[in-house]
Amino acid sequence: NAGVTQTPKFRVLKTGQSMTLLCAQDMNHEYMYWYRQDPGMGLRLIHYSVGEGTTAKGEVPDGYNVSRLKKQNFLLGLESAAPSQTSVYFCASSGRALSTDTQYFGPGTRLTVL
Amino acid sequence: KQEVTQIPAALSVPEGENLVLNCSFTDSAIYNLQWFRQDPGKGLTSLLLIQSSQREQTSGRLNASLDKSSGRSTLYIAASQPGDSATYLCAVRMYSGGGADGLTFGKGTHLIIQP
Repeated sequence: NAGVTQTPKFRVLKTGQSMTLLCAQDMNHEYMYWYRQDPGMGLRLIHYSVGEGTTAKGEVPDGYNVSRLKKQNFLLGLESAAPSQTSVYFCASSGRALSTDTQYFGPGTRLTVL
Repeated sequence: KQEVTQIPAALSVPEGENLVLNCSFTDSAIYNLQWFRQDPGKGLTSLLLIQSSQREQTSGRLNASLDKSSGRSTLYIAASQPGDSATYLCAVRMYSGGGADGLTFGKGTHLIIQP
């Protein structure tokens, strides 16, 4: 049981390049989330999903797109990376039931945009 | 918009002391509140989750309380150890028609336990 995994762990991009971050969970959770963590700003929600095929915007969605084609995977895309997107990105998942409401986090992806 | 504040921002205490970390939030209509720890360069580890109908939760040396009406939560750490050194984050989840809003986080308390 690996929990929540993220790929890649580190990445350096040039301004204007695109990339996709992959999140996978093996806990059969319905809900999945993408956050970014910046010094002095804390963690902020980018997008989230309440189930396969559904996505919704969080607090800071601009410049990102997401897809949830399979229940266990949640992809975060940057179509044209900007230096302001330099951050550490965390994926999380949780169940729908009250007893499974705890959010479990992946180890993070450290992204630098030059 | 929900805002979460954690006080103090940093704390350094000798090993063995009992300590309290504070969290406050501006909108009391929360669904639940969760405490996490984060070690440098690592992800977040969930410590305790308190549902809006609960007053406290305990796990080992940790005890978290919730006073929803006043918008406050505290994390009590008993008999602190050097291994408790980390950043502690408080986060709240709001009610949503979709039932699954993400968490709103405080900026954390950076805790150092001196051996």
